[in-house]
Amino acid sequence: SQQGEEDPQALSIQEGENATMNCSYKTSINNLQWYRQNSGRGLVHLILIRSNEREKHSGRLRVTLDTSKKSSSLLITASRAADTASYFCATPPYSGAGSYQLTFGKGTKLSVIP
Amino acid sequence: KAGVTQTPRYLIKTRGQQVTLSCSPISGHRSVSWYQQTPGQGLQFLFEYFSETQRNKGNFPGRFSGRQFSNSRSEMNVSTLELGDSALYLCASRERGEGYGYTFGSGTRLTVV
Repeated sequence: SQQGEEDPQALSIQEGENATMNCSYKTSINNLQWYRQNSGRGLVHLILIRSNEREKHSGRLRVTLDTSKKSSSLLITASRAADTASYFCATPPYSGAGSYQLTFGKGTKLSVIP
Repeated sequence: KAGVTQTPRYLIKTRGQQVTLSCSPISGHRSVSWYQQTPGQGLQFLFEYFSETQRNKGNFPGRFSGRQFSNSRSEMNVSTLELGDSALYLCASRERGEGYGYTFGSGTRLTVV
């Protein structure tokens, strides 16, 4: 089963609007990561938030983490057509020892209409 | 730094054949992982290597194998290809340590006919 589940599955907005995507996970985490994937290409690492952090910013991206609710959100402000992509949250195993495999959700497909 | 390089980008194979995919990680990255992405199953973990040792393997049949060389380059092999193996295969590398995410290659699109 998936560790992370993104919501909504698809989101369509106008250029200039803000886009918010949510991620819920099931087990304890050390960190949570967000990735972007343009159609048929590799994933791009956007931001990593540690379990002891509540909010993190990177350019137009804002990520929040609520470990009590086992959820995270990704906010993209002032969206652009180039932000059109699928967005995934991912978590490594909690123990952190040895393996660092990521478990991905199904992703949110964001369409930004010019 | 050059990114993660995967070759080939596209591949068409016939059922029953075998295939080898190659991945060159970012210079200095010793951790390399492979993922399979399909529309139905999404992103699924295949293998993880660190310093030529397989640290973990995902829930895939033995037809899927991999290895890592002393220069951290990695290969994965799929034998006796099935139609269901058609997918985007992604390789990723990272620096060691807790606070680093993965850098992914552009992937190899495998089509089995």
